[in-house]
Amino acid sequence: LAKTTQPISMDSYEGQEVNITCSHNNIATNDYITWYQQFPSQGPRFIIQGYKTKVTNEVASLFIPADRKSSTLSLPRVSLSDTAVYYCLVGFAERGAGSYQLTFGKGTKLSVIP
Amino acid sequence: DVKVTQSSRYLVKRTGEKVFLECVQDMDHENMFWYRQDPGLGLRLIYFSYDVKMKEKGDIPEGYSVSREKKERFSLILESASTNQTSMYLCASSLPTPGLKSYEQYFGPGTRLTVT
Repeated sequence: LAKTTQPISMDSYEGQEVNITCSHNNIATNDYITWYQQFPSQGPRFIIQGYKTKVTNEVASLFIPADRKSSTLSLPRVSLSDTAVYYCLVGFAERGAGSYQLTFGKGTKLSVIP
Repeated sequence: DVKVTQSSRYLVKRTGEKVFLECVQDMDHENMFWYRQDPGLGLRLIYFSYDVKMKEKGDIPEGYSVSREKKERFSLILESASTNQTSMYLCASSLPTPGLKSYEQYFGPGTRLTVT
């Protein structure tokens, strides 16, 4: 299984850019990298997904270096409502394979300070 | 919008009881998942199912079983609940990804189970 490592927590002031890095040293060739956001008492919510280089959507950017052993979620100009836990997910669950490769990181608790 | 619903938000059961947690999704997704979430441990996969009556074990299947008789419904069963199964249980669903290992899951709100 691709093991993932993230910082346990991060603090940031409102309006700043926040970068959260996830390490996944033994990522497999076909694995995608996906990031989720979770608020208290809710299930995780998809933010962004990528395979290599850079992906950007309306809420975040995802940077993946050429060796794909890490990925960085970038949140531009955070607000108080971005206070949440952020998880990276690497791998897949393949039907009929009798096995799976699906690992969530333990999450990074982001606290945005006014 | 994809909607994944779970039968209960909070549940209290006694040790030894048989517990059923139900999950329903309305997007015709082939894949469904059960996770448990504990402080400091993140999300850990218990079981997933890629089709009706099909299932695969995840990281921590011991003490759990699952049932998927209909495409939209995935049940998690605790055969004999124990205190160490006190946790938040999250259900998720996704489209299948044949040939591509990409992954976007839609999660339910979770069931907080307390076993006393």
